Amino acid sequence: GAGVSQSPSNKVTEKGKDVELRCDPISGHTALYWYRQSLGQGLEFLIYFQGNSAPDKSGLPSDRFSAERTGGSVSTLTIQRTQQEDSAVYLCASSLVGTGFWNTEAFFGQGTRLTVV
Amino acid sequence: KQEVTQIPAALSVPEGENLVLNCSFTDSAIYNLQWFRQDPGKGLTSLLLIQSSQREQTSGRLNASLDKSSGRSTLYIAASQPGDSATYLCAVSQRAGANSKLTFGKGITLSVRP
Repeated sequence: GAGVSQSPSNKVTEKGKDVELRCDPISGHTALYWYRQSLGQGLEFLIYFQGNSAPDKSGLPSDRFSAERTGGSVSTLTIQRTQQEDSAVYLCASSLVGTGFWNTEAFFGQGTRLTVV
Repeated sequence: KQEVTQIPAALSVPEGENLVLNCSFTDSAIYNLQWFRQDPGKGLTSLLLIQSSQREQTSGRLNASLDKSSGRSTLYIAASQPGDSATYLCAVSQRAGANSKLTFGKGITLSVRP
């Protein structure tokens, strides 16, 4: 596709259940990011993948959160034993290389709105 | 730790007005700065990217400036239209260990009144 694709667009889950959120980056983009946006808050960095390098997991809020990126393309963010405070919009972005390079733009998907009830 | 601030949090202007949205950051060691637009319930759309060596970028009615030494950027919107109503976020990119990441402000919610 032409842009970053995320699925599902909305997810309602019961407290304590596990959820998986999917991100399809733009083809050829080597860098992939996950962010979380809570109501009234800014975007919170979660995790960053760059090519075959070890991911930067420094933003993951707890060990209930994990992410994988298979074949350098599709990424899955998994939240185990969901809590109400996990309710937020989860946004995925990709770029040709990491945004630390001079002129590389980050392109975002439409997000997955997660509601834990 | 990098902190990005956008003030005010919300702004309402009449249609046709020229306006400036401000963004400030605490650590000037950045690679670039991006301005994004977010419509309600949607993802982020990239508007402009300014490299750290640049002073400004223009796209249509939008002009973004960067003063890295003072830690400031502005997004100028000319002849505002109701369709410009959205939340505008700025983000700075910088090195984080062997990687890099974007740090975002909380955004300015703009309402353009017809």
